[in-house]
Amino acid sequence: DAGITQSPRHKVTETGTPVTLRCHQTENHRYMYWYRQDPGHGLRLIHYSYGVKDTDKGEVSDGYSVSRSKTEDFLLTLESATSSQTSVYFCAISESGFGGYTFGSGTRLTVV
Amino acid sequence: GQNIDQPTEMTATEGAIVQINCTYQTSGFNGLFWYQQHAGEAPTFLSYNVLDGLEEKGRFSSFLSRSKGYSYLLLKELQMKDSASYLCAVGNTGFQKLVFGTGTRLLVSP
Repeated sequence: DAGITQSPRHKVTETGTPVTLRCHQTENHRYMYWYRQDPGHGLRLIHYSYGVKDTDKGEVSDGYSVSRSKTEDFLLTLESATSSQTSVYFCAISESGFGGYTFGSGTRLTVV
Repeated sequence: GQNIDQPTEMTATEGAIVQINCTYQTSGFNGLFWYQQHAGEAPTFLSYNVLDGLEEKGRFSSFLSRSKGYSYLLLKELQMKDSASYLCAVGNTGFQKLVFGTGTRLLVSP
């Protein structure tokens, strides 16, 4: 399996606090993506990256920011967590941008 | 806009064959993907169709008709471990952003 890890695996945080989720890959893949998965909505793209310092918004980017200072790390920050951001967050990587993704194990985030 | 439809839930019996349909309306089509996701786990890649026709991979096959905006995943010789959600996703041109359907939960019974 591709080397992709997400941290933390589980987190409970309070409304209004900033939260950063980390995605780390050892595959040297160019493309990285953050999705959230919610019942009834499926996987929705938050932000993606097509290279170091190259990022763009996805479908549900409001309230989220990302950074990619190294090929291997893609950080997702919730600037001020809200209960609507309670979700399971998946990171994914792709080598070429033209094939399937490999997903990380996910981070279950609860905002109370 | 983009719209991907697949049934919410299906049931089948061990050893049987099941077909999970997916219809889509999207711009910039660049491939149709199927993923399997067991409860509490990450999605795993199953198949990819970019041209019309059938792609076979062991017990799993996937079909695509671009003109009809239609795909299906065919699972043969069902096993209990095939109980999972099956996600249909369409690739858009430009950095291969995948747009996912809401998934079909398949329950395989003995």
